[in-house]
Amino acid sequence: EDKVVQSPLSLVVHEGDTVTLNCSYEVTNFRSLLWYKQEKKAPTFLFMLTSSGIEKKSGRLSSILDKKELFSILNITATQTGDSAVYLCAVCQGGSEKLVFGKGTKLTVNP
Amino acid sequence: DAGVTQSPTHLIKTRGQQVTLRCSPKSGHDTVSWYQQALGQGPQFIFQYYEEEERQRGNFPDRFSGHQFPNYSSELNVNALLLGDSALYLCASSLSRNEKLFFGSGTQLSVL
Repeated sequence: EDKVVQSPLSLVVHEGDTVTLNCSYEVTNFRSLLWYKQEKKAPTFLFMLTSSGIEKKSGRLSSILDKKELFSILNITATQTGDSAVYLCAVCQGGSEKLVFGKGTKLTVNP
Repeated sequence: DAGVTQSPTHLIKTRGQQVTLRCSPKSGHDTVSWYQQALGQGPQFIFQYYEEEERQRGNFPDRFSGHQFPNYSSELNVNALLLGDSALYLCASSLSRNEKLFFGSGTQLSVL
């Protein structure tokens, strides 16, 4: 059965800190890994990774995938209170567009 | 450009009742997927519709059914509601064969 495990489940930091969120997965016929940010209700897309070792960047956020070790990390530098959210990791299997999600990491950034 | 829209935003039902949730996809998208998100959990795949047919289904009972209309909008129906059906129901749209999903804000269903 496909599985996605995120850690930590919860994290509290101060503004300006750097955080690393982890996502490990087990899936047959891996196609891609996606990161979403869920602030209130609607998850919003952050990154999609398909190849190992290629870092994706968007401002203070970056992510990298290791297909050999079956994990991905999401880094957020110089955190701001607006980064407070649940960060969801999902994997997609080849031949399908179904996403299997982890439970998410709840990030709280205090001023 | 409107994103994915869902209605209603909140719904309260009692056990045994039936409910219909609605979704309009992002402009240009032809595929709609539905997910159930229980409190403190990640979204779980219910099913996906493309060309008015169910293309893929997750591990949900037959009480959960859906429909896609010619304009690509979609409905999720749940019959014989159980307390455990209380959750946030998310609709997501995409281009066919593309796993990058765009989500709506969901319908919060409470079953009493």
